[in-house]
Amino acid sequence: GENVEQHPSTLSVQEGDSAVIKCTYSDSASNYFPWYKQELGKGPQLIIDIRSNVGEKKDQRIAVTLNKTAKHFSLHITETQPEDSAVYFCAASIGTGNQFYFGTGTSLTVIP
Amino acid sequence: DAGVIQSPRHEVTEMGQEVTLRCKPISGHNSLFWYRQTMMRGLELLIYFNNNVPIDDSGMPEDRFSAKMPNASFSTLKIQPSEPRDSAVYFCASSLRLAGGAQYFGPGTRLLVL
Repeated sequence: GENVEQHPSTLSVQEGDSAVIKCTYSDSASNYFPWYKQELGKGPQLIIDIRSNVGEKKDQRIAVTLNKTAKHFSLHITETQPEDSAVYFCAASIGTGNQFYFGTGTSLTVIP
Repeated sequence: DAGVIQSPRHEVTEMGQEVTLRCKPISGHNSLFWYRQTMMRGLELLIYFNNNVPIDDSGMPEDRFSAKMPNASFSTLKIQPSEPRDSAVYFCASSLRLAGGAQYFGPGTRLLVL
């Protein structure tokens, strides 16, 4: 089955700096890669996703890049703000309506 | 849209008792997923349904766990009898397969078994 690894497990950045979280996957058949943000006491919230036919996707301060050859994808947050502090999860999926394989999460702290 | 609705939000029970967690998926979604989250094991998929039919229950830890989806708007996860190691946050998520598969999570049920 699919195996998703996520690094780093914790990340601290100064407000205004950029944060990068990286994930690798093992199954070349995976074609959908969502990212979730989980705040304390809440459920994971989808923040951005990318499909295997696209190399990069941006949404305001958030971007995701995908390298299919190397089987890795990354989340980039620019101009970080204290409200970006949360746990971020990556995931990989084969097809639609199928199960997601989640990374182990990155706890991001943005220091004011 | 109200999003995925879960109840109860918190549950405290004693070992040996039956626990029933409930989920109402987003209207129109046809896939439903039950997850368990703990510090030690992270997010674990327990079972998922497509069009109310269980597709993969290999993540259900033991026979004490069971899940049903009697219709498109309701699902339950039952633990009987409950044990302290079942203490965790249980999430329900739903998705619309034809729309690409993004899963939307509910707020979770925080379960504590004493």
